Amino acid sequence: DAKTTQPTSMDCAEGRAANLPCNHSTISGNEYVYWYRQIHSQGPQYIIHGLKNNETNEMASLIITEDRKSSTLILPHATLRDTAVYYCIAPPIQGAQKLVFGQGTRLTINP
Amino acid sequence: DVKVTQSSRYLVKRTGEKVFLECVQDMDHENMFWYRQDPGLGLRLIYFSYDVKMKEKGDIPEGYSVSREKKERFSLILESASTNQTSMYLCASTIGGSALKYGYTFGSGTRLTVV
Repeated sequence: DAKTTQPTSMDCAEGRAANLPCNHSTISGNEYVYWYRQIHSQGPQYIIHGLKNNETNEMASLIITEDRKSSTLILPHATLRDTAVYYCIAPPIQGAQKLVFGQGTRLTINP
Repeated sequence: DVKVTQSSRYLVKRTGEKVFLECVQDMDHENMFWYRQDPGLGLRLIYFSYDVKMKEKGDIPEGYSVSREKKERFSLILESASTNQTSMYLCASTIGGSALKYGYTFGSGTRLTVV
């Protein structure tokens, strides 16, 4: 797995955009970047993934830099239910694509 | 809605007992995984399986074994439970081959306490 680095914790006001950064400077050209989140006492939930282009779905947007060494997950209008630990992962392309979870970023949305 | 179902949400077992944690997915996924999660240590991979009757050790397989007799079911076995196996256990599955397009689906977890 490419090593990923995320801030330990972040705060964001309810209704504002939450921007969660991730560094993955050792990522190889064909490795995707995945984002998952884990709300307290639940299993992790897939959010979004991307390779080179920016991606958007109903949950979030993913912005990947041109050199692919970093990315940002954007929750456009954060709600209290978005409080969770967010994991950025870059698994290897071969094999069972097993995910290795780091410590993630603990995002707290404040009212 | 696709699902990964873990048989128990909470479980309390005694030291030395043989413990079975069951996981069933209804998505016809080839790959299935067992993780444990502990405070400060994050999620750690115990075992995974590519296909029926196939299994591979993860990062912390000691004290555990697995069984995959049917595609939809992946069981984690604690042969002789110990207190250091008290943890949250999470099962996940993903499509084989094109797994990277769709990501993993996780179950809700089983919180096991060994006393």
